[in-house]
Amino acid sequence: GQNIDQPTEMTATEGAIVQINCTYQTSGFNGLFWYQQHAGEAPTFLSYNVLDGLEEKGRFSSFLSRSKGYSYLLLKELQMKDSASYLCAPLDSNYQLIWGAGTKLIIKP
Amino acid sequence: GAVVSQHPSWVICKSGTSVKIECRSLDFQATTMFWYRQFPKQSLMLMATSNEGSKATYEQGVEKDKFLINHASLTLSTLTVTSAHPEDSSFYICSARDGDRVVNGYTFGSGTRLTVV
Repeated sequence: GQNIDQPTEMTATEGAIVQINCTYQTSGFNGLFWYQQHAGEAPTFLSYNVLDGLEEKGRFSSFLSRSKGYSYLLLKELQMKDSASYLCAPLDSNYQLIWGAGTKLIIKP
Repeated sequence: GAVVSQHPSWVICKSGTSVKIECRSLDFQATTMFWYRQFPKQSLMLMATSNEGSKATYEQGVEKDKFLINHASLTLSTLTVTSAHPEDSSFYICSARDGDRVVNGYTFGSGTRLTVV
């Protein structure tokens, strides 16, 4: 079956660094997305990885290891506005996004 | 970047009435549109996938006669919740892919919060 595993909730301090891990199992694989979702809002695109390695984009970086079925999102210099849910979503062989429940990130001053 | 406009943002309707939700791709042609539903503190649940000019493909457990999807053009898809009931109250979100440009991600509309009273 298809499965996404992320921590349910994480807490970090403003200005710090946090890493959100994701392991997945899918029928086929066509890359993996990370989305940010604030409460009551739609998800917004953060990153897309299809090759192994690290992709850096400003304060956010995303890593992928296809052989391990593993990805992480790294957030640096945390700001209060980063408090949100972070969704790891791989694309299966049909180019369908597979969604987990996401990780709720709480930033404390 | 790609933008998907979704309307209305929120709607309250009486039980038994129908509600139509529109999603428009503003600066690209959305050959495929996805419709999701999300209950509080739960993950996005795919309801159906629609391709322009053809019938939508519904996920298991989603009633196609209750959730009518029309994707008549490359820039517009609509979801109509027919004979709505309180249990249909949820956050409905559309998403579109800009052709084959997977690397740009799947763009989401802003969502519609439906409350059936």
